[in-house]
Amino acid sequence: EIVLTQSPATLSLSPGERATLSCRASQSVSTYLAWFQQKSGQAPRLLIYGASNRATGIPARFSGSGSGTDFTLTISSLEPEDSAIYYCQQRSNWPRVTFGQGTRLEIK
Amino acid sequence: EVQVLESGGALIQPGGSLRLSCAASGFTLNNYAMNWIRQAPGKGLEWVSTLGSSGSDTYYGDSVKGRFTISRDSSRTTLYLQMNSLRAEDTAVYYCVTDARGYPDQWGQGTLVTVSS
Repeated sequence: EIVLTQSPATLSLSPGERATLSCRASQSVSTYLAWFQQKSGQAPRLLIYGASNRATGIPARFSGSGSGTDFTLTISSLEPEDSAIYYCQQRSNWPRVTFGQGTRLEIK
Repeated sequence: EVQVLESGGALIQPGGSLRLSCAASGFTLNNYAMNWIRQAPGKGLEWVSTLGSSGSDTYYGDSVKGRFTISRDSSRTTLYLQMNSLRAEDTAVYYCVTDARGYPDQWGQGTLVTVSS
């Protein structure tokens, strides 16, 4: 099983600041990595797929980068509505996809 | 618009059985592979099962293999998850999710399964 480790566990930033979330895979997943946003009480929403491609309707302030084992989700200028838990997910050995444990982003 | 809507969640005793349903709208199930993904209370996301777009290829996570069965109806508008021999650790919100390019794409609102005596 491919294990994804996300850091930090919690991030607390102010509106307008830049957020950088990390995801590390236990083995190479090439660019088969996605990012999801889950707000309280809601289902997850796909933000980024293929490591760097924004899903339909996702604002340009969200961007993804990386390949192999190290990946980053960047939110360039935080909005209050970006408060959520963010998960990375690999599809390298589809359909046995796995998720990271999540990073909680708090907006002060 | 592609949408999915889960139903069938309930409080069930350990060892019991339950069938979850997922109604598809805006598409037919032979257009997509389909997933069940679950989330235990306060925990992360866990892949449970996938049905290939052909309807004949089925895949299961190790924690549910031999106990859960994924299927769809002949009209290709409803996805099912038959869950047998339920355990306390199966307690979770179960999401029905379309699969796009191997990534979970459109998620339903989820249905809660609670396994407890």
